[in-house]
Amino acid sequence: EIVMTQSPATLSVSPGETATLSCRASESVSGNLAWYQHKPGQAPRVLIHGASTRATGIPARFSGTGSGTEFTLTISSLQSEDFAVYYCQQYNNWPPITFGQGTRLDIK
Amino acid sequence: QVQLVESGGGVVQPGGSLRLSCAASGFTFSPYAMHWTRQVPGKGLQWVAFISKDGSNKYYVESVKGRFTISRDNSKNMLYLQMNSLRGEDTAVYYCVKDHGSSGIFDSWGQGTLVTVSS
Repeated sequence: EIVMTQSPATLSVSPGETATLSCRASESVSGNLAWYQHKPGQAPRVLIHGASTRATGIPARFSGTGSGTEFTLTISSLQSEDFAVYYCQQYNNWPPITFGQGTRLDIK
Repeated sequence: QVQLVESGGGVVQPGGSLRLSCAASGFTFSPYAMHWTRQVPGKGLQWVAFISKDGSNKYYVESVKGRFTISRDNSKNMLYLQMNSLRGEDTAVYYCVKDHGSSGIFDSWGQGTLVTVSS
């Protein structure tokens, strides 16, 4: 099973600034990495797949980079609606599909 | 637009059974693989089960193998999860998830249904 590790667990950033979230895989997942946003009481939504491809309707301030075992989600010009929990997920070698434990993005 | 509406959650005693349903609308159901994913309260997301577009292939996370069964009815646009021998650690919000094809990318999620296993 591929273990996904996200850091930091919690990130406090001011609106208008940039947030950088990290995700590491225990073995290479090539570019088969997705990022999801999850707000309390709502359905999660996909932001990025293929490590760097924005999903339909996702604003350009969300960007993903990386390949192999190291990945980054960058959210620039943070807006109030961006404060949520973010998960990375690998779909390179499954089953099982595995998620990171999440990074909570808080308003500073 | 894509809608996935889960139902069937509730409180059940350890060892009991529950059947979750997911009604899909707003897209052609049959060409897409589907999944169930769950979130234990206060914890992260965990993939639970996969079913291929025609139901011929099914995969499960190790912890539910032999207890949970995923199925679908393409004529009714419905996805199901039969959960038997439920344990306390199965307590979670269960999400019905549409795959972006059959890739493992989760492109649409339902709102979830809460399953509580408690005596």
